[in-house]
Amino acid sequence: AQTVTQSQPEMSVQEAETVTLSCTYDTSESDYYLFWYKQPPSRQMILVIRQEAYKQQNATENRFSVNFQKAAKSFSLKISDSQLGDAAMYFCAYRSALWGNNDMRFGAGTRLTVKP
Amino acid sequence: ETGVTQTPRHLVMGMTNKKSLKCEQHLGHNAMYWYKQSAKKPLELMFVYSLEERVENNSVPSRFSPECPNSSHLFLHLHTLQPEDSALYLCASSQGELLAPYNEQFFGPGTRLTVL
Repeated sequence: AQTVTQSQPEMSVQEAETVTLSCTYDTSESDYYLFWYKQPPSRQMILVIRQEAYKQQNATENRFSVNFQKAAKSFSLKISDSQLGDAAMYFCAYRSALWGNNDMRFGAGTRLTVKP
Repeated sequence: ETGVTQTPRHLVMGMTNKKSLKCEQHLGHNAMYWYKQSAKKPLELMFVYSLEERVENNSVPSRFSPECPNSSHLFLHLHTLQPEDSALYLCASSQGELLAPYNEQFFGPGTRLTVL
């Protein structure tokens, strides 16, 4: 079964600086999707960024980018120019590309604090 | 209302009570999910419904009973719960035939459940 590991329970960053959150996963599949979700104190999880495993180019969404290393099974999230509103729990998630697949596997999360 | 809504936001119940959690999605999606989020643990998928039919039950105890009367509504009926069932229960929805894995899941704000 696929597992997702986030080795940093907590991280902090100074406002306007850059922080990288780590995620590794274990799978025997060659095609899959990876996601980063953000859960602010309001609790509503929102998608930050998505990566398809068959695409070599790293996904980017404004200040958020990923470093996807397929061979190393690593999927880190870089937040540039951190803002106070970035403070939240961040979850890495894996989903098989098999049609009909129901299971999205989540990591335990990283709590990000942004210091003014 | 927009997105995915959940009621109630907070629920305290005794072990002998019967209660229900409600989820409603306003996105026109055809798949809905229940997740359990416990402290310092990854999200656990409980139930998946696609086109109002249950397609997955991840070995959830029978004291949790889901119901999906239509594609916009999802319920989780609770009875004779245990204190270890205290957690945040998240509902999500997604669009796509056969639960296409590239489709983003949209989450509700969750119900914080406390079992005394």
